[in-house]
Amino acid sequence: NAGVTQTPKFQVLKTGQSMTLQCAQDMNHNSMYWYRQDPGMGLRLIYYSASEGTTDKGEVPNGYNVSRLNKREFSLRLESAAPSQTSVYFCASSPQPLGGPAANEKLFFGSGTQLSVL
Amino acid sequence: QKEVEQNSGPLSVPEGAIASLNCTYSDRVSQSFFWYRQYSGKSPELIMSIYSNGDKEDGRFTAQLNKASQYVSLLIRDSQPSDSATYLCAVRSDRGSTLGRLYFGRGTQLTVWP
Repeated sequence: NAGVTQTPKFQVLKTGQSMTLQCAQDMNHNSMYWYRQDPGMGLRLIYYSASEGTTDKGEVPNGYNVSRLNKREFSLRLESAAPSQTSVYFCASSPQPLGGPAANEKLFFGSGTQLSVL
Repeated sequence: QKEVEQNSGPLSVPEGAIASLNCTYSDRVSQSFFWYRQYSGKSPELIMSIYSNGDKEDGRFTAQLNKASQYVSLLIRDSQPSDSATYLCAVRSDRGSTLGRLYFGRGTQLTVWP
């Protein structure tokens, strides 16, 4: 029972390089999210997708793009990495959009990607 | 910008004691509140949700909500070393364009010593 799978687990980039973080969930969830977690800053929402085919900006979207490839997969792309993007990135999913009528508002998180930009 | 404030800690309690974790939030409209536990190097996991004023108990955990004071807390009774983790308070936005987004506090690091 895999849940939410993120790859890679660790990555080191040089300033200006690009990369894509991959995320897949096997729980048939409609909504998927990308968060970043910095020391002393808590979790901040980068982008989210309430359903297949839709994406929306979160609190800190600058420097990132996303693709909801299908219901299972939601990728995060850094086009030109900057040291300020050094962080731990978490992908998450939920059965329904968190603002929807469903009572289950639990977020299921992946194991995280530790990204360092030099 | 939604603000969710937590006492940053670290909080250290002996085994068997009650650990009290506190959280305040700025958006009076919010109706849904959550506590996530995050072990070091791991991902967050939901342990409690609360929507109504008062107390909600689940085993050794009790969440308390006071919407008038914009305050939510988590009590851990009979604390165990396995409770040592960072506890994240999360508040769901019920406003317009940010409807459904979760805003997290910075977390309180709890250590339970034997």
